This record gives sequence, C-alpha cells and structure tokens, in this order.
Amino acid sequence: QKEVEQNSGPLSVPEGAIASLNCTYSDRGSQSFFWYRQYSGKSPELIMFIYSNGDKEDGRFTAQLNKASQYVSLLIRDSQPSDSATYLCAVRGATNKLIFGTGTLLAVQP
Amino acid sequence: NAGVTQTPKFRILKIGQSMTLQCTQDMNHNYMYWYRQDPGMGLKLIYYSVGAGITDKGEVPNGYNVSRSTTEDFPLRLELAAPSQTSVYFCASSLGLAGGRETQYFGPGTRLLVL
Repeated sequence: QKEVEQNSGPLSVPEGAIASLNCTYSDRGSQSFFWYRQYSGKSPELIMFIYSNGDKEDGRFTAQLNKASQYVSLLIRDSQPSDSATYLCAVRGATNKLIFGTGTLLAVQP
Repeated sequence: NAGVTQTPKFRILKIGQSMTLQCTQDMNHNYMYWYRQDPGMGLKLIYYSVGAGITDKGEVPNGYNVSRSTTEDFPLRLELAAPSQTSVYFCASSLGLAGGRETQYFGPGTRLLVL
C-alpha cells in the first residue's frame, strides 16, 4: 500500500462546477496535510494546509480532513480553466518528512 | 526577495559524468530539501538538512551526495550519472517549526537528462 494515494485522473469538470480531489494516507500518526498545485513544467505551490478534523475554507478552496478514515480532500468551487493543473496531496508524519502522492490531473473545460 | 533559486535550469549529462545542482534560499530557513520528480509521479525526497552541518538521507539517496556548509546553500552532487537519474530536481526550504506545521517553499527546478 502506498503511503499517500491519489487517483491520477484526469478529472474533467466543466467551468463553474465543483471539483473534488481525494487523498488517502496510511500513517495514522500523520499530523499535517497539505495540498499543492503544480502547473505543467513548474514547481509545486502550496494552496491549502489543514491540521484538524473538519473543513477549512480559503476563498474557492475547501480542505476536508477525516483522521479516523485517513482521508483528506480538496474542493474547488466555481472551477476555472486556470485551475487546470496537477494537485499534489502531501502528508507529514511522525518522521517530520513530507510524503507526496502522485497527484491528480484536473482539467477544467470552458 | 528571491526565495529559493536553483541553477542550472536544464542540463544534459553523459553517462558517468558528474555535476552539482545548486540551491540557494534567502529566507533564513533552517530546513532544506532535495526532491526528484519523475514523469507522472509525485516528489521523492533525496536528502534533507535541518541546519548548517547537518544532513540526512531521504527515500532515494543512492547516487547522490549533499553538503550544508551555510544556512543559505544546499548543493546536490551527482557522481557517475546514470540514465535512471534523468528527472526534474526540486530544492525546497522551510522554517523548521516544531510539530511540522509549516510550509515548504520550492525552487523552480532543474531538468536533468542523462544520455
């Protein structure tokens, strides 16, 4: 079992719709959870982090964490073509190192 | 404020050659990291450092070496390059707060092709 799992996609959504990106992790001791966005040929950039169970909202983005189910998700409301990118889920566990998933490719269709 | 800078942007190496990938940060961050990203894959940690003079191995350290003589610089050395080291290399840095509640900032990456 991979430490951090994501569906590679592509996830295709129409402009204006809600995009839902999911991530599961194996280390129950994980403390911090991050979502990075990576445009093709560019470096990852942080868009959200979450530490506690529940939802965290920042503009059009909502991160959801369920530690009991070892599940973290990212919702993007009113999706725009500029949101088209690969979204990387990263988890920091007891070792204090970030473990990345392989990423989900999101394509927002105009 | 430049953040994290990496040089070169792109390099072609022949099998068996050596090179150093440079990384510099101007944010006075304690922690620095080297990752590699293969096509369609996530980032794999090669080496990391929690401060000047302190380095440790990540998931995929074989074929690489690092040093950290200053807070700002964290060069990655490739000895005897192999085709399996063809990848995009990202350097990152972070403050190093207790509990891990912090952001890693990434450099623009170095694209390496070994032929």
